[in-house]
Amino acid sequence: QAYLQQSGAELVRSGASVKMSCKASGYTFTSYNMHWVKQTPGQGLEWIGYIYPGNGGTNYNQKFKGKATLTADTSSSTAYMQISSLTSEDSAVYFCARSSLGFDYWGQGTTLTVSS
Amino acid sequence: QIVLTQSPAIMSASPGEKVTLTCSASSSVSSSYLYWYQQKPGSSPKLWIYSTSNLASGVPARFSGSGSGTSYSLTISSMEAEDAASYFCHQWSSYPFTFGSGTKLEIK
Repeated sequence: QAYLQQSGAELVRSGASVKMSCKASGYTFTSYNMHWVKQTPGQGLEWIGYIYPGNGGTNYNQKFKGKATLTADTSSSTAYMQISSLTSEDSAVYFCARSSLGFDYWGQGTTLTVSS
Repeated sequence: QIVLTQSPAIMSASPGEKVTLTCSASSSVSSSYLYWYQQKPGSSPKLWIYSTSNLASGVPARFSGSGSGTSYSLTISSMEAEDAASYFCHQWSSYPFTFGSGTKLEIK
């Protein structure tokens, strides 16, 4: 049974950067794409991009290029997402999700609040 | 990008009632790459239906999915209280992957 454990809520100042994590267990981390999804009340669910931990390859939604950076540490089976130059528009819940037939396992979400 | 439009945005159904949620795509979506998720407040989305019509593990048989091209639907044959949730459609047919805005389904 796969399990994705995300890091805790973040309160960060506008203009700063934040790096959140998603630790995978219960499956071979390097064999599946790991996606990141943003959820806000206004915009709904938005796909940010994915990383393939097997080779570090990434694919980003053009909207988030330059905003989000996806990395993975295979030694600890952990995926990371860094979000830079934070604004109030970045306040959201961020999920990591493994893809197989659909996004079959999701983390519990990390709530990011950007303060001015 | 492919825009997925879900209707209705909000609906309520009585126990035992048949419910149909729709998802309309701005361009054709391969049925292999159309998914549905269920989300309850405070929880992560859960994969509910994959490849248009296949139920994910643990999903009750009263749920079904169908569609092709630009029109897809999720049907509940007989509404139960535990089905009250938001449902989102999702496509992988082309980049960027996109989600519908969701249907909030309430129990009467």
